[in-house]
Amino acid sequence: AQSVAQPEDQVNVAEGNPLTVKCTYSVSGNPYLFWYVQYPNRGLQFLLKYITGDNLVKGSYGFEAEFNKSQTSFHLKKPSALVSDSALYFCAVRVNQAGTALIFGKGTTLSVSS
Amino acid sequence: EADIYQTPRYLVIGTGKKITLECSQTMGHDKMYWYQQDPGMELHLIHYSYGVNSTEKGDLSSESTVSRIRTEHFPLTLESARPSHTSQYLCASSPLWTGHSYEQYFGPGTRLTVT
Repeated sequence: AQSVAQPEDQVNVAEGNPLTVKCTYSVSGNPYLFWYVQYPNRGLQFLLKYITGDNLVKGSYGFEAEFNKSQTSFHLKKPSALVSDSALYFCAVRVNQAGTALIFGKGTTLSVSS
Repeated sequence: EADIYQTPRYLVIGTGKKITLECSQTMGHDKMYWYQQDPGMELHLIHYSYGVNSTEKGDLSSESTVSRIRTEHFPLTLESARPSHTSQYLCASSPLWTGHSYEQYFGPGTRLTVT
């Protein structure tokens, strides 16, 4: 079965420090991977995606993610965290373009302290 | 401005009432989706549509129904609301074919409370 795992319910970092939010996936076929962010009482906002090509993808708000096929991972990273980055982050996967929809992880709450 | 809209944003309603959650998008997207999300939890797909007159059930069983009479409109209906339906409902859309672009665009959500 296809699945996405976010092993950490919460990640705490100090402002200015680098952050990593982990995601691993299990799919058959080539994965299309996404990161979304959700602020309180808001819908999801697209951050970045990996479809093909360079394993390091850059997205919105200074975030980037590294696709690692051998480890089936797609961790979200940012070199220097901001307090405003505090939100709920979702990793998602779709197997192919004809797939029905995205499969989401359970989400990771990122808390950045000043 | 192209966007995706959901109304109402918040709804508190009594058990047994019929409700319709509205979702409209002005992006010309063919695909539309409904997800259910409990607070701070993962999203579960409950319905999707590939275009007009196309509707399918998602991975999570739901007592709701949907319709797709117009490309831009994808309402979700609960014939008889129950407390177990209390949740946040997120609508999303995506183009049918976008080359290298596969992301979905989400509305702000409707937070439903059934008392």
